[in-house]
Amino acid sequence: GAVVSQHPSRVICKSGTSVKIECRSLDFQATTMFWYRQFPKQSLMLMATSNEGSKATYEQGVEKDKFLINHASLTLSTLTVTSAHPEDSSFYICSASFGGALEDEQYFGPGTRLTVT
Amino acid sequence: AQSVTQLDSQVPVFEEAPVELRCNYSSSVSVYLFWYVQYPNQGLQLLLKYLSGSTLVESINGFEAEFNKSQTSFHLRKPSVHISDTAEYFCAVLQWGTYKYIFGTGTRLKVLA
Repeated sequence: GAVVSQHPSRVICKSGTSVKIECRSLDFQATTMFWYRQFPKQSLMLMATSNEGSKATYEQGVEKDKFLINHASLTLSTLTVTSAHPEDSSFYICSASFGGALEDEQYFGPGTRLTVT
Repeated sequence: AQSVTQLDSQVPVFEEAPVELRCNYSSSVSVYLFWYVQYPNQGLQLLLKYLSGSTLVESINGFEAEFNKSQTSFHLRKPSVHISDTAEYFCAVLQWGTYKYIFGTGTRLKVLA
C-alpha cells in the first residue's frame, strides 16, 4: 500500500518557538494532503486541506497564521506551528490522497507528537 | 451537519470471544463509510470501507462491517478476537462530493488473555 511518512515523530520545543513538521508521500504523488490534530483520548479533527501549489483551506476555528501549511510538491507538505504555546501540544497527523475521485482513500502518516514546554 | 457516534469508548473482551464495535452516523447526504485502526504510537490504518455495492464488507484479518442505511449504522464485528487486535478503532464518514472525513471519538478494544 501507499506509504506516508512524517518527520519528526516527536518534538519538544519551548514556548514561543516555531516547529516544522514534514509529511511525505513516499511512493506516490499526492494530489491532496490533509492535516489533523488529535487530543488525548479524542478523535481526529481536520485542521486543513491542501493541494499542491495552492493555498491550504483551513477548517473553521483553525488559525491560519499560527498553523502555516505549505504543499510545495506532490510528495511533500509541511505544517509549521508558529510561536507555539503549551496548548498547542498535541498529536498531529497528516494524510495524503493520490486519486482524482473524492472517495479515494486517504493514507495516514504515523503522526508527530508535539510537546511545548 | 454530519456526525459520527461511537457509543462505546472502551470494550474489554476475552481472547477468542466475538466483539462488535458500534458506529452510528447522521448525514443529510450520502456518505462513504470507513473503519480505521490505530495501534499505540502509530498512525491510522484503513481496516475496511464501504463505498457501494454489497453492504457487508470484510477486511483481510477477519473483521467485517455491515452498512445499514435505515439504521444509519456501520458496526464492526469479529467472530473471534486475538490479543493483537488490541487497538483504538475509529469509524469515519466521508460525505459524497467532499474530501472531508468526520471521525468518531474512537473505541478502545482491549483483548484479555
